[in-house]
Amino acid sequence: QSVLTQPPSASGTPGQRVTISCSGSSSNIGSNTVSWYQQLPGTAPKLLIYNDNQRPSGVPDRFSGSKSGTSASLAISGLQSEDAADFYCAAWDDSLRGYVFGTGTKVTVL
Amino acid sequence: QVHLQESGPGLVKPSETLSLTCAVSGDSIRTYYWSWIRQSPGRGLEWIGYIFYSGTTNYNPSLKSRVTISIDTSKNQFSLKLTSVTAADTAVYYCARAVHSVDTDLTVYYHMGVWGKGTTVTVSS
Repeated sequence: QSVLTQPPSASGTPGQRVTISCSGSSSNIGSNTVSWYQQLPGTAPKLLIYNDNQRPSGVPDRFSGSKSGTSASLAISGLQSEDAADFYCAAWDDSLRGYVFGTGTKVTVL
Repeated sequence: QVHLQESGPGLVKPSETLSLTCAVSGDSIRTYYWSWIRQSPGRGLEWIGYIFYSGTTNYNPSLKSRVTISIDTSKNQFSLKLTSVTAADTAVYYCARAVHSVDTDLTVYYHMGVWGKGTTVTVSS
């Protein structure tokens, strides 16, 4: 059972802004950096955000990450059809002494 | 361009050992940390552990008693062994390149920027 909780689903129409939350605790998000991964159907996860709010080269700037206390968020602005995917947050957990993923959020573009 | 490729048996019998290898091309395995992650059918992602070229490892506590990750710098590859497998170990197994550091204030930085395509392992008799 994951220690990082995400809503199971989120949706929006093309062009809308969608936000995904990730709730953790003081031993993970509250202490360490958060990453976000996008997993398109049938493919490997892809790093979308690292160090809370940094985008790797090639990731569009309509993806943004933020963190406050023991929660983090991923925002997708200007939603596009190709954004339909599963999204996972992740962070190092000091208590578990390992890397933990969130429960995952399936984004649907209506 | 960095490329990671997993390989190994797609079918393992219960109670036996699952063995996978990740071949790294386009980068030296003497940099970065190298990780294994798995995803059970219809489920989320589970971090298995990592290894550094020096041999330093860190495993998921829930799997620690059964997992060994090793590295072969001469072949630029690293491997996963998972013993005493059961049907619950059926999953897609991914290898990935990780960035890992600990700041002076003990903030842990960890993320996986390059992933292999994954390989499906089924545990069944």
